[in-house]
Amino acid sequence: DAKTTQPPSMDCAEGRAANLPCNHSTISGNEYVYWYRQIHSQGPQYIIHGLKNNETNEMASLIITEDRKSSTLILPHATLRDTAVYYCIVRVAYSYTGGGNKLTFGTGTQLKVEL
Amino acid sequence: GAVVSQHPSWVICKSGTSVKIECRSLDFQATTMFWYRQFPKQSLMLMATSNEGSKATYEQGVEKDKFLINHASLTLSTLTVTSAHPEDSSFYICSASLTRDRGRYIQYFGAGTRLSVL
Repeated sequence: DAKTTQPPSMDCAEGRAANLPCNHSTISGNEYVYWYRQIHSQGPQYIIHGLKNNETNEMASLIITEDRKSSTLILPHATLRDTAVYYCIVRVAYSYTGGGNKLTFGTGTQLKVEL
Repeated sequence: GAVVSQHPSWVICKSGTSVKIECRSLDFQATTMFWYRQFPKQSLMLMATSNEGSKATYEQGVEKDKFLINHASLTLSTLTVTSAHPEDSSFYICSASLTRDRGRYIQYFGAGTRLSVL
C-alpha cells in the first residue's frame, strides 16, 4: 500500500471548515484513499473514501487532485466533537485474501477544534 | 452502518492471569476480523488477522502463544491475552469488514478494550 504524509496537527475554529491534507505521491491506479478518525479513547470511525472523483457524504467531502497524488478531507462546519486524530490511508479496495484487507495506520493529523 | 461490539471495554487484572476480549459483528457476518493494539500517544498497530474457521495470521513480532485468537463463528472473534504482564497493558481494538462490492470495502471498529495489568 502507498505511503501517506499528513501534518501532525491542525487547529480549527468551531463552525469553520476544517481542511485536512494528505500526500500520497506513490499511489497506484487501483488504490483508493480512505479516511478514518479516532476520537480519544475510542475505536476508529470510517469517514469517507474515493478513487479519483470527489466524494461527499453526511460527514465530510473528499477532494482528490487530478493526478491523485494528494487529497483533502473537508469537514464543512467543524464542531468540538470533531476533535480527533484523522488518518489518511491508501490501499486497494478489496483483496480476495482476508489478510490483504488489513489497514496500515500512520500517525495521522490531530485536529483540535476550538471555540 | 455496520456495528462492531467489543467487550469488555475496560479490564484490570493481576500479573500472570489471562484475559479474554470478545469482538462481535452485530448486524453482519465477517469472515475476517482484525486485532490492533495501541499504546499511549501512538498509532494503531495491527497484531493479527482473524479468519473464521482457520488459524489467525499474526504480524511479525507478535507472539502467537501469548495472544490467542479464536474466530469460531462469522460474528465472533476472541483475543485471549495469556499470562498477562504489565507490559501488555494497552488499548486493544478489533475491526470487521463489510463489503458490499469491490469498491466499497470498509472496516468497522469496536470501541476498544483498555487492559491494565497490575
